[in-house]
Amino acid sequence: KAGVTQTPRYLIKTRGQQVTLSCSPISGHRSVSWYQQTPGQGLQFLFEYFSETQRNKGNFPGRFSGRQFSNSRSEMNVSTLELGDSALYLCASSSPLVANVLTFGAGSRLTVL
Amino acid sequence: ILNVEQSPQSLHVQEGDSTNFTCSFPSSNFYALHWYRWETAKSPEALFVMTLNGDEKKKGRISATLNTKEGYSYLYIKGSQPEDSATYLCALYNNAGNMLTFGGGTRLMVKP
Repeated sequence: KAGVTQTPRYLIKTRGQQVTLSCSPISGHRSVSWYQQTPGQGLQFLFEYFSETQRNKGNFPGRFSGRQFSNSRSEMNVSTLELGDSALYLCASSSPLVANVLTFGAGSRLTVL
Repeated sequence: ILNVEQSPQSLHVQEGDSTNFTCSFPSSNFYALHWYRWETAKSPEALFVMTLNGDEKKKGRISATLNTKEGYSYLYIKGSQPEDSATYLCALYNNAGNMLTFGGGTRLMVKP
């Protein structure tokens, strides 16, 4: 069974640019969550999608957005990048059939210069 | 926003020592608590899902307990090994069951 796949794994952008990250969940998982991890901040919740609907959103500015497609794949977008957006972005998928346990991808490490 | 706190932030122990850490959370509107282990250069992996007051879960040398009335969970590691070195995260599910809020983690380092 394939795991959660995130692309790209590493990317470097400059301030003001925008970036799109992709996440393919485990087959059968309809919930996809996104988290940001920065040194000293732990895992911060960005948003959660289920069946193409955003069910929950964390405390991030509107520059952070996401969407989910009919095949449960999800993308997140960050516009007008700032230096502070440099972080590891983790995607996780889950299913209520397995107690909503999160299965994480390897992450996308974004560096903003 | 749920406030989930973990202590200590970091811990250094010798191989063979037993250790434990704490996860504290608001006791109202409890739905479920998860524990994850996050090893360096890997992704977080689930250890336990705990839902009932008094729950005790065990996986090998690692076990966890839950007290929903007072709002805490303990994670215990018996006879720590270097391969136990990782960050241990607890996370609280909101009562709608669709959002996990993570604590800051406890970073464990086991010296051989």
